[in-house]
Amino acid sequence: EVQLVESGGSLVQPGGSLRLSCAASGFTFSSYPINWVRQAPGKGLEWVSVISGSGGSTYYADSVKGRFTISRDNSKNTLYLQMNSLRAEDTAVYYCAKEFGRVLAATNFDYWGRGTLVTVSS
Amino acid sequence: EIVLTQSPGTLSLSPGERATLSCRASQSVSSSYLAWYQHKPGQAPRVLIYGASSRAAGIPDRFSGSGSGTDFTLTISRLEPEDFAVYYCQQYRTFGQGTKLEIK
Repeated sequence: EVQLVESGGSLVQPGGSLRLSCAASGFTFSSYPINWVRQAPGKGLEWVSVISGSGGSTYYADSVKGRFTISRDNSKNTLYLQMNSLRAEDTAVYYCAKEFGRVLAATNFDYWGRGTLVTVSS
Repeated sequence: EIVLTQSPGTLSLSPGERATLSCRASQSVSSSYLAWYQHKPGQAPRVLIYGASSRAAGIPDRFSGSGSGTDFTLTISRLEPEDFAVYYCQQYRTFGQGTKLEIK
C-alpha cells in the first residue's frame, strides 16, 4: 500500500525557517517525481515544488522561488522541503503528492499525504 | 501562464441528483494533462479523473469527465452522501480554485 506521511509543521515566526519531511512507502520511491502542494486557510490547492526521481531536476512556484528548497534522500525514501524567510502568506497545510508517471509530466498526482500544518505568525 | 476557472463556486444539491462541474482554461490545453480531484476536510486529496476522461483506479463509474480545448466537465451521475466535498481541476501544475459541492 502506498503511503505518504508528512511531518515537521509547526508555528514559526516571520523570517524564520522550517524543514518539512515526507516519508514514503509502498512503491519504488526513487522512480517517481514528488511534489509539494499547499492549501492556505479557506483557500484552494496551490502547487509549490517538484523534484524528479533522481533528484537532479527541481522546479518551484514563483511565490516560493529563492526561499524554499526541495530535496530527497532516496536511501531513506524521504522527501524534504526546506523553507526559509517564511512569511505570513506561507501559512498553509503542506501536502506531498506522488506523480502518476516516472517522467516529470504532471499528468496527475495519484497519491497524497494528509498534510502538515505550517503557521507563520508572531 | 494558464488560469483555470471553475464554476460554480458552490453547488447545492441533494443525494440522488446529478452534479455538473465546469473547469475553463484561459487558453487551450492538452487533455492529457487535465485531472480532477476530490478533497474532504482533514483528508488527502484523491484523484478521480485523469487525461480529462479516464477514471482513476477504484473510482466509481458515477464519476465521469469530458471536454477538450478550454472547456472540461466533471459529472457525478447520482450523488451519494460521501460525494459532498470540494472538487478541483488541474492542468499540469496549475489548480482551479475549486467547487464546493454541498448538501441542499
